[in-house]
Amino acid sequence: ETGVTQTPRHLVMGMTNKKSLKCEQHLGHNAMYWYKQSAKKPLELMFVYNFKEQTENNSVPSRFSPECPNSSHLFLHLHTLQPEDSALYLCASSPVGDRNTEAFFGQGTRLTVV
Amino acid sequence: DAKTTQPPSMDCAEGRAANLPCNHSTISGNEYVYWYRQIHSQGPQYIIHGLKNNETNEMASLIITEDRKSSTLILPHATLRDTAVYYCIVRVPYSGNTPLVFGKGTRLSVIA
Repeated sequence: ETGVTQTPRHLVMGMTNKKSLKCEQHLGHNAMYWYKQSAKKPLELMFVYNFKEQTENNSVPSRFSPECPNSSHLFLHLHTLQPEDSALYLCASSPVGDRNTEAFFGQGTRLTVV
Repeated sequence: DAKTTQPPSMDCAEGRAANLPCNHSTISGNEYVYWYRQIHSQGPQYIIHGLKNNETNEMASLIITEDRKSSTLILPHATLRDTAVYYCIVRVPYSGNTPLVFGKGTRLSVIA
C-alpha cells in the first residue's frame, strides 16, 4: 500500500466508449503524474500536474484528457480509444520543494480496448 | 531520454548479494541517483536515492563512485520476491517539474 489508489484496477472498453480513470492520494503531495506502460516497453510519461496546473503534456493524443480538480485527485478521461492504447496506466505523486521527493505509484489500471 | 545505461538482465542466486550497475556519465552536479523497481504488472516502488555519499536503508545499499559517473545498487541477501525490473534514474529533486523518466532497466531474476 503506497498511499496512491487507482480505480478501476481493470477496464475493458470499446472504441466508441467514454470512460475515466481515477487516481487519489492523501499524502499531501503537490505533484501528480500519469504514465503509460505498453507490453514489454518502458514506462512513458504522459502528463504532469504541479499544484493542480498541467506543466507537461508529453505529446499525448487528444483522446486522452487529464483533469486535476485538486491536489489529491487526478483523472484521465478516455474517449474513442484505439486497440493500441491497451496498456497499464499508472498514476504517481510526489512532494514538491522537499529534498525527499521520491514518487509513490499506484497499482495501475489495466486497460483493454476492444 | 533516459540518461543512464543498465544491463538488460541479470541473474542472482537466492541468498546471495545482487549487485546492479548503472552508468550515468553525463550526470550534472545537482542531479541525484534514484533507484526504483517494478515487480511484474505492479506500480514501480522507490528503493533508495543519493547524491554522492553511499546510502543504506532497510531495502538496499547504494554505492556511488567518487566521480559520480556510475553507481551500484546492492541487495544484500536477494530473495525470490526481489525478482523485478530495476530502474536507475538521475534527476534533480525539489521540483515537480522534474518527473521520473524511465529507461528499460535491468531485469533481475533471483533463482532458487
